[in-house]
Amino acid sequence: EVQLVESGGGLVQPGGSLRLSCAASGFTFSSYSMNWVRQAPGKGLEWVSYISSRSSTIYYADSVKGRFIISRDNAKNSLYLQMNSLRAEDTAVYYCARDRPPTDYWGQGTLVTVSS
Amino acid sequence: EIVMTQSPVTLSVSPGERATLSCRASQSVSSNLAWYQQKPGQAPRLLIYGASTRATGIPARFSGSGSGTEFTLTISSLQSEDFAVYYCQQYNNWPPGTFGQGTKVEIK
Repeated sequence: EVQLVESGGGLVQPGGSLRLSCAASGFTFSSYSMNWVRQAPGKGLEWVSYISSRSSTIYYADSVKGRFIISRDNAKNSLYLQMNSLRAEDTAVYYCARDRPPTDYWGQGTLVTVSS
Repeated sequence: EIVMTQSPVTLSVSPGERATLSCRASQSVSSNLAWYQQKPGQAPRLLIYGASTRATGIPARFSGSGSGTEFTLTISSLQSEDFAVYYCQQYNNWPPGTFGQGTKVEIK
């Protein structure tokens, strides 16, 4: 069974940093590209970032470019999102999602709240 | 960036009735269109990809159609567990994989 479990969310002040993790199991992690997708409270879905299976290709949404860094460790079956210079508008549930394409399996998400 | 527009915003349907949801792309996305279902407090679940192919384990009452810029998700006979928010997403022009704003299917 495919499982994706996010962690690392929490409350952080504007300008602060946070690192999200996503632990994958039930499939060959190193064979799949991965995404981060977020959802602000009461809002729709927004794609954040993409990383190919061997990390050779990386994309970011314009809204996070220069502030967020996606990475992965295939030996640890893990995906990461380093979030710097956080803003109030980054407040959201962050999901990691496997890329078929499209995104076919999603974790349950981790909540990031940016507030003073 | 391709803009995805869903209609209606809210759809009120009685259990057992048919529901038809629409998704329009601002430019052609070929058949690279997916539909997701999201219930409160849960992650989205992939229903349809390639505009018309059901994902693993998705009941046959869900069907997708369309290509280019106009797409439809049909739920043939709504069950209680189908009341949720539905999103379309294009993955033809990537990145970004833009989502529609969602259609909420509620009980009439």
